[in-house]
Amino acid sequence: GQQLNQSPQSMFIQEGEDVSMNCTSSSIFNTWLWYKQDPGEGPVLLIALYKAGELTSNGRLTAQFGITRKDSFLNISASIPSDVGIYFCAGRARGSNYKLTFGKGTLLTVNP
Amino acid sequence: DAGVIQSPRHEVTEMGQEVTLRCKPISGHNSLFWYRQTMMRGLELLIYFNNNVPIDDSGMPEDRFSAKMPNASFSTLKIQPSEPRDSAVYFCASSLSDPEEEQFFGPGTRLTVL
Repeated sequence: GQQLNQSPQSMFIQEGEDVSMNCTSSSIFNTWLWYKQDPGEGPVLLIALYKAGELTSNGRLTAQFGITRKDSFLNISASIPSDVGIYFCAGRARGSNYKLTFGKGTLLTVNP
Repeated sequence: DAGVIQSPRHEVTEMGQEVTLRCKPISGHNSLFWYRQTMMRGLELLIYFNNNVPIDDSGMPEDRFSAKMPNASFSTLKIQPSEPRDSAVYFCASSLSDPEEEQFFGPGTRLTVL
């Protein structure tokens, strides 16, 4: 089955720093999604990417769909304490209109 | 507007007991998903319903797990009998009729089986 490798597993940064995390897949995806999960809550969609090479921003967040269609990255600029949480990538393969494969997540801690 | 509602939020039970988790999807959403989240395996899709019909239950671990969606506003996930390895957070998510639409997740049910 498809596997997603998400890195890093965790990050501890100072407020104001930029953050970068990425996911790589063993197979091609048609869609890449990035979610954030706060403690005690379900994942919330941050950014959706649908085309290879696509670069999309949502406020201080920027994500890209890799041209090989096997990877994606998420950048957070000028981090703030409320950015704390677990960030997940998820991919949807061709022909799978509902099934998402999730990465294991990146735990982000921001020190004020 | 209310999001996806799940109950209970926390459940502690003993091995062998029956557990029923409940979900109310967002009104107007026709696709419903049950996921399980563990440290070891991350988020895994258990079952997907569309218009109340189970479309894909290949992620259901074994016969001890069953899910129903008797109407568009309610779904249950049942584990009978429960085992300690079932301990996890179970999420329900819903989306509009096209399953490629954004999935909105509920707050989850944290299940602990002793």
